[in-house]
Amino acid sequence: AQSVTQPDIHITVSEGASLELRCNYSYGATPYLFWYVQSPGQGLQLLLKYFSGDTLVQGIKGFEAEFKRSQSSFNLRKPSVHWSDAAEYFCAVGAIRTNFGNEKLTFGTGTRLTIIP
Amino acid sequence: ETGVTQTPRHLVMGMTNKKSLKCEQHLGHNAMYWYKQSAKKPLELMFVYSLEERVENNSVPSRFSPECPNSSHLFLHLHTLQPEDSALYLCASSQVVGGGEQYFGPGTRLTVT
Repeated sequence: AQSVTQPDIHITVSEGASLELRCNYSYGATPYLFWYVQSPGQGLQLLLKYFSGDTLVQGIKGFEAEFKRSQSSFNLRKPSVHWSDAAEYFCAVGAIRTNFGNEKLTFGTGTRLTIIP
Repeated sequence: ETGVTQTPRHLVMGMTNKKSLKCEQHLGHNAMYWYKQSAKKPLELMFVYSLEERVENNSVPSRFSPECPNSSHLFLHLHTLQPEDSALYLCASSQVVGGGEQYFGPGTRLTVT
């Protein structure tokens, strides 16, 4: 079964500093990988996704993530955070559909990001 | 209207009430999902529909009853809920059923009193 671990429950970063949010996954084949962001009281917004190809993927709002198969990781990065980046961030893994039944995305428990001036 | 919409955004109901949550997607997708998001818990997948046919039900109590009349609309009918059912209920859609990206609505914040 697939699983996702986000080891950091809460991270605090100064505005303008760099950011890295960790995500480790467990899946027996090539996964689909995603990062979502959730602002308070809102749904989840897709930041970026990895399906195949270049292991460094660019997303919206200046975010990027790097897929490292050897480490089973898909960490999210941003070179300089803005106060508006304060939110909850979720990593998710999905199966490349090989047969009817691999429907679901599995989400991590999330990392709450606080930005201080 | 674009994306995935959900109504109502907030709902307070007693344990003996019957209510329904509505989700509509304007993306032309063929798959729709209901998730439950509780504080300090991972997102829980409740139901999956593909072309109006239910394909997965993750052992959800029968007091939650989904309905998918067409590929654009999804309902979650609620009756005799418990206080522990209070949560944010999120609807999502995807192009096809599978592990590809899903697009989420803003959610319905449900409080059961």
